[in-house]
Amino acid sequence: DAGVIQSPRHEVTEMGQEVTLRCKPISGHNSLFWYRQTMMRGLELLIYFNNNVPIDDSGMPEDRFSAKMPNASFSTLKIQPSEPRDSAVYFCASSLRRNPNTEAFFGQGTRLTVV
Amino acid sequence: QKEVEQNSGPLSVPEGAIASLNCTYSDRGSQSFFWYRQYSGKSPELIMSIYSNGDKEDGRFTAQLNKASQYVSLLIRDSQPSDSATYLCAVRGTGNQFYFGTGTSLTVIP
Repeated sequence: DAGVIQSPRHEVTEMGQEVTLRCKPISGHNSLFWYRQTMMRGLELLIYFNNNVPIDDSGMPEDRFSAKMPNASFSTLKIQPSEPRDSAVYFCASSLRRNPNTEAFFGQGTRLTVV
Repeated sequence: QKEVEQNSGPLSVPEGAIASLNCTYSDRGSQSFFWYRQYSGKSPELIMSIYSNGDKEDGRFTAQLNKASQYVSLLIRDSQPSDSATYLCAVRGTGNQFYFGTGTSLTVIP
C-alpha cells in the first residue's frame, strides 16, 4: 500500500489567498484525521471523519477553515482567506474505526507558509 | 485541560543509558495508547502500542500503562544516537479520535 498521500508537500501563498490541502487515506481505512503541527502547540486535532461523515470539528480554529470528505478515498482541508498565523505543517492521518487497537497512519504532511 | 500531557523536555541522555518518557491523559474511558517517534521534518511513525495495564516490551523499547493513574510511559534501553527524535504520546479517545501530547525531545549524546 502506498500509505496516506498528501499534496502538495509544500505550499507558499500570500495572505488572503485560498489554500486547499489534499489527502488520500489508506485504502480500506474508514477514519480520517486532519492535524496541524506547530512548535508552540504541538499536534492539534482539527477535524475527523468516520465513514466520510465529519464527527468533530471543534478543533478547527476559525470559520476560515473548512474540510470535506466527498468519498472514502479523498479529503480536502481549505483555508480561505489564509493568514500568516496559519503557517504550520498540516498532517492527514487515517485509521480503521472498527478496530480500536489500530494506530493512526500519517501522511508526509504539507508545509504551509503564508507570507 | 489538554487531553494528553507530556514533559516537553528536552531530555538528554548518554549513549547506552536508559531514556524515560512520561505521559498522562484525562479521558478515563480511553482504551488504546500509542508512542510515536518523529524525526525533524518527518511525519510521526508508530513505535509502540499498549492496551492493558502493565508492561509491554519490544526490543529496546518498553511501554508501561497504569489506567488507574491515567499514566503511560516509554523506556528506551541502550539508547543510541539514532533514537534522537521527538516522542509523541497518543491516546485513542472514546470517540475514536487520536489525541497527541506536545512531545518530548530526546537527544542521545555519543
